[in-house]
Amino acid sequence: DADVTQTPRNRITKTGKRIMLECSQTKGHDRMYWYRQDPGLGLRLIYYSFDVKDINKGEISDGYSVSRQAQAKFSLSLESAIPNQTALYFCATSGTGLGNEQFFGPGTRLTVL
Amino acid sequence: QKEVEQDPGPLSVPEGAIVSLNCTYSNSAFQYFMWYRQYSRKGPELLMYTYSSGNKEDGRFTAQVDKSSKYISLFIRDSQPSDSATYLCAIPPDSGAGSYQLTFGKGTKLSVIP
Repeated sequence: DADVTQTPRNRITKTGKRIMLECSQTKGHDRMYWYRQDPGLGLRLIYYSFDVKDINKGEISDGYSVSRQAQAKFSLSLESAIPNQTALYFCATSGTGLGNEQFFGPGTRLTVL
Repeated sequence: QKEVEQDPGPLSVPEGAIVSLNCTYSNSAFQYFMWYRQYSRKGPELLMYTYSSGNKEDGRFTAQVDKSSKYISLFIRDSQPSDSATYLCAIPPDSGAGSYQLTFGKGTKLSVIP
């Protein structure tokens, strides 16, 4: 089984809808991250969490919220989806310590019409 | 100036060619660097991890750091079609600036043509 899983893998929704993307990991890591990837813009950090009680905004948090339900689960919500949130979304985990390797999930392709 | 800059390509080479992928970085204090590889429809995965003291070789892959010019390179020898992917450089967190996460380059898309 994959160490980092994301659901759903693909989602098409309409403007204004609320969307939740879920991430689970079995690596036992404390740190979890949400990124979005867009052509020409690369990976951009949305939110990160260093433990269950620690949530931090990343580079592009506007329009997004997160919930760390447990050490192994980190979900990303779009309260009211808009077309420019169409992107590939990745969850990642890492161990503690500066610069530790990040392990990525397979991604969720989200399309907002 | 962004912390890390990477030419997005795309780069297309014939099988067997030597490939050079490059990034520049801005903070001379960085001590180590990473290269991630991302296949189509997959998440990135760590390919190589190198300290700023010079070269690191792993099979057909060599990571090189030039501290004087703040330049990091990934060389692929005898490139194969299976090397076709997007390659992302990554720099460590700048704790002095209150950053605690990796910063990724935009990625260079490589195609190796049989």
